[in-house]
Amino acid sequence: EDQVTQSPEALRLQEGESSSLNCSYTVSGLRGLFWYRQDPGKGPEFLFTLYSAGEEKEKERLKATLTKKESFLHITAPKPEDSATYLCAVQWGGGSNYKLTFGKGTLLTVNP
Amino acid sequence: EPEVTQTPSHQVTQMGQEVILRCVPISNHLYFYWYRQILGQKVEFLVSFYNNEISEKSEIFDDQFSVERPDGSNFTLKIRSTKLEDSAMYFCASGQYNEQFFGPGTRLTVL
Repeated sequence: EDQVTQSPEALRLQEGESSSLNCSYTVSGLRGLFWYRQDPGKGPEFLFTLYSAGEEKEKERLKATLTKKESFLHITAPKPEDSATYLCAVQWGGGSNYKLTFGKGTLLTVNP
Repeated sequence: EPEVTQTPSHQVTQMGQEVILRCVPISNHLYFYWYRQILGQKVEFLVSFYNNEISEKSEIFDDQFSVERPDGSNFTLKIRSTKLEDSAMYFCASGQYNEQFFGPGTRLTVL
């Protein structure tokens, strides 16, 4: 069973059409939930870290929220340049365990 | 803005050969990581490194893999005898505490 599940796998939007991506997790002892953007053939680009339920963070057209078992990445009025794969990852457990466990990602395509 | 750099961007090797992938983490970061991403699959943790030693490693990180921080700036991943299934993008990441910033990756192709 996957510890981090992202949905949908792919999402196609028209420019300006707002939507949300979902990331649900089953790990216990969450230390942080991370959102990254990944362009084809490139490394993940850091967007946000959320630490506790109820926390929200915003950056331009993106807003990330966190509940006890899932996170949402809201995209408001997207532009074609927002097209990318959005990755969710969790950091969990105790001690010096800082490894990230990733989901499979959501491929977002924004058409002009 | 400081960033993680990796060299080479693409490495082609023959099965059984040794490869060394290089990374320069962000200068004031203390934690270093290697991840890999097989084409079409998710990013997977390989190893974390702190205070000049491995702090955690995954099942993937077997005796064929090793990491080193040979000087104050470089962080390397060595694969001793490459296999076809080692073909993947390898990402280095670094962080001051729990946040992690990734490099652009090295695409390793094993023939």
